[in-house]
Amino acid sequence: QVTLRESGPALVKPTQTLTLTCTFSGFSLSTSGMCVSWIRQPPGKALEWLALIDWDDDKYYSTSLKTRLTISKDTSKNQVVLTMTNMDPVDTATYYCARTHSGSYGSFDYWGQGTLVTVSS
Amino acid sequence: DIQMTQSPSTLSASVGDRVTITCRASQSISSWLAWYQQKPGKAPKLLIYKASSLESGVPSRFSGSGSGTEFTLTISSLQPDDFATYYCQQYNSYTWTFGQGTKVEIK
Repeated sequence: QVTLRESGPALVKPTQTLTLTCTFSGFSLSTSGMCVSWIRQPPGKALEWLALIDWDDDKYYSTSLKTRLTISKDTSKNQVVLTMTNMDPVDTATYYCARTHSGSYGSFDYWGQGTLVTVSS
Repeated sequence: DIQMTQSPSTLSASVGDRVTITCRASQSISSWLAWYQQKPGKAPKLLIYKASSLESGVPSRFSGSGSGTEFTLTISSLQPDDFATYYCQQYNSYTWTFGQGTKVEIK
């Protein structure tokens, strides 16, 4: 079955760079049409899409955050990594990774459990 | 970027009620719309994709409709497990946007 799991630091300081890893199973990012995204949710607030990487290594970013984000993949390890630079307390959120594919019409059919990242000095 | 506006923000209803949530897009997105259910401390769960297609395993009391800029999620008979927050989400030209959410509370 398809599973995704996020990992990374629970606490980062302002101005630091956050690195999160999504480790998945049950599908391959080398399969045509497969994609993995990062999505975040500040406490008590709505979901916000951050970035997506596809099977062909094409990358797409949120317009408002693209200068701070980098997404990459390691197909052999079934991992997708997100880095976010210059972290600020407003970036405190639960960060999710999720799968989409060409047959899902832009929807995210499987999600990780999420990892809470707090930005504080 | 395309903005998604959900209404209402909060909805109070009773078990057995028919519930409708509306989502409006700031420009046409054809049928590239999904609906999710989220419970506290949990990841969102996909309910509907392509505006009206029911995700496998989702109860048939959930349905979606609409195209272009206006979409609705309907729960035909609200069940105790349905009290949660619901989000719409659009996809257009390699950008994805979520609505602000609708919390369905017990009346």
